[in-house]
Amino acid sequence: AQTVTQSQPEMSVQEAETVTLSCTYDTSENNYYLFWYKQPPSRQMILVIRQEAYKQQNATENRFSVNFQKAAKSFSLKISDSQLGDTAMYFCAFSHRDDKIIFGKGTRLHILP
Amino acid sequence: DGGITQSPKYLFRKEGQNVTLSCEQNLNHDAMYWYRQDPGQGLRLIYYSQIVNDFQKGDIAEGYSVSREKKESFPLTVTSAQKNPTAFYLCASSTDREGMAFFGQGTRLTVV
Repeated sequence: AQTVTQSQPEMSVQEAETVTLSCTYDTSENNYYLFWYKQPPSRQMILVIRQEAYKQQNATENRFSVNFQKAAKSFSLKISDSQLGDTAMYFCAFSHRDDKIIFGKGTRLHILP
Repeated sequence: DGGITQSPKYLFRKEGQNVTLSCEQNLNHDAMYWYRQDPGQGLRLIYYSQIVNDFQKGDIAEGYSVSREKKESFPLTVTSAQKNPTAFYLCASSTDREGMAFFGQGTRLTVV
């Protein structure tokens, strides 16, 4: 069975700093998707970034980028030039074709002024 | 506008009563999901459905029931058998082509 592990329950960084959130997963599949979701205090789940496992190039979206290490089954999220609005819960997620989407337990990120 | 709609946003029920949470999507997605989120916690899968008239239990299905009579709709019933129903419930849908889940705004259920 697939699992997703986020080892950092909570993190705090100063505004404008760079922060990296860790995620590891376990699967026997070769083709799959990985995601990072953000949940701000409004509790709306927002997709931050998406990575397809067959693509070697790391996905980027403005200040958000990932470090995808397929062999190590690692999928970390880097937030550059962090902003107060980045304060939220961040969830790593895994999905495979024709199967359920699995989420990690989340990392609560605080951006300090 | 395409999207996924959960209603109501807030729901109050007396202990011992069944309650049904609505989830509708017009994204033409095959798969739909229900997750439960407790304060400060992650998302736990209750039920999911990958096709009409079929659904599977997730990790915490006890005390819940679902139906999938239409592609667009995936209602969740919280029964009186659910011992701690007060929580935030999120509905999502997805397609194999994109893989990621699109979420509704959630329903906050409080049982008193």
